[in-house]
Amino acid sequence: ELKVEQNPLFLSMQEGKNYTIYCNYSTTSDRLYWYRQDPGKSLESLFVLLSNGAVKQEGRLMASLDTKARLSTLHITAAVHDLSATYFCAVDATNYGGSQGNLIFGKGTKLSVKP
Amino acid sequence: NAGVTQTPKFQVLKTGQSMTLQCAQDMNHNSMYWYRQDPGMGLRLIYYSASEGTTDKGEVPNGYNVSRLNKREFSLRLESAAPSQTSVYFCASSDGPIFWGNTIYFGEGSWLTVV
Repeated sequence: ELKVEQNPLFLSMQEGKNYTIYCNYSTTSDRLYWYRQDPGKSLESLFVLLSNGAVKQEGRLMASLDTKARLSTLHITAAVHDLSATYFCAVDATNYGGSQGNLIFGKGTKLSVKP
Repeated sequence: NAGVTQTPKFQVLKTGQSMTLQCAQDMNHNSMYWYRQDPGMGLRLIYYSASEGTTDKGEVPNGYNVSRLNKREFSLRLESAAPSQTSVYFCASSDGPIFWGNTIYFGEGSWLTVV
């Protein structure tokens, strides 16, 4: 069974600080997604990581994927209040008995950036 | 550009009642999905449709039925609602299968309460 674990689940940080959210998964996969969700809103796609060593950056967010370690990270640089949201990682379970389209999501990391 | 549109946005049902959640996308995507999100959890796939006329079960299909009416529309039906189906439901679409690395775009969500 493919399991996806994020940590921390809650993160309160000050503006200007750096931090990393970790996403560990239990079986080999080379397709990992990061999403952002604002309260009461839909999920917004941030990054799609498709191979070992993939690194993508958008503004103050940078995501990376290490398929050998079964680990993805979402690094936040010089946080600002607008980054406050819940961040989800999700792994493609297609090759592990799941139907096509079966993303297995972590529980999410609720990020609060305070002045 | 509307993207993925779901209706209704909010619904309260009595146990045993039936209802249909409607979803339409205007991005000419082939694949469509229904997910549910429970408090403090990531999303879980209910059903998936790779193309018009095809549907597959996801992780949590029990108690639901779906119809891929045409390329644009994918509906989710609760035949006899149960309190355990109280959740937020998200419809989503992608140009192709996620194992090809396609981005999944989500609708705004439908808040369903079964009393």
